[in-house]
Amino acid sequence: ETGVTQSPTHLIKTRGQQVTLRCSSQSGHNTVSWYQQALGQGPQFIFQYYREEENGRGNFPPRFSGLQFPNYSSELNVNALELDDSALYLCASSFQGLNTEAFFGQGTRLTVV
Amino acid sequence: SQQGEEDPQALSIQEGENATMNCSYKTSINNLQWYRQNSGRGLVHLILIRSNEREKHSGRLRVTLDTSKKSSSLLITASRAADTASYFCATLEYGNKLVFGAGTILRVKS
Repeated sequence: ETGVTQSPTHLIKTRGQQVTLRCSSQSGHNTVSWYQQALGQGPQFIFQYYREEENGRGNFPPRFSGLQFPNYSSELNVNALELDDSALYLCASSFQGLNTEAFFGQGTRLTVV
Repeated sequence: SQQGEEDPQALSIQEGENATMNCSYKTSINNLQWYRQNSGRGLVHLILIRSNEREKHSGRLRVTLDTSKKSSSLLITASRAADTASYFCATLEYGNKLVFGAGTILRVKS
């Protein structure tokens, strides 16, 4: 157990809908990152939040957005869902720094139909 | 886009044997990390090796890093059925983002 919890664990949405995924960081961590993992591939960086500000973004369109709250929990919002958004979404919490490890939650499996 | 490639893509061994996985990357790094993932769930951090380190051990794990060749290897000794999982290497890039390879699927047969 990493102390990072994600909800929900599974979700089915229809193309065009919007979805919000949630993540509670490990105690003491001030940074949260989100990753998308398609079947059979490695995780791909979506964005990172540090002290409630976006602190880096991967190659994802603006319909992927996020928030970090004062208690360092976080949300990932995806608008106008597409079939290709079907994936495992992983949240990772860490303490800001160069040589710190990231602790991952169990992920949310999103299926878009 | 993904940073590098893991080799092999899949590996099947008998319990008790050693398993070696390799990872190559493309850019300069601060550190390289290895993660394990069971059945498409969350990733578990295994080991971090800094760019100025050449070898690191943790229990049955041994990681090497060759920055001149931009490559790393993960050795799992005396493998167990519970080691069956996908293994990913990840490099830390500018912006504190982890860039993962496609992973090696390890199957340990009992």
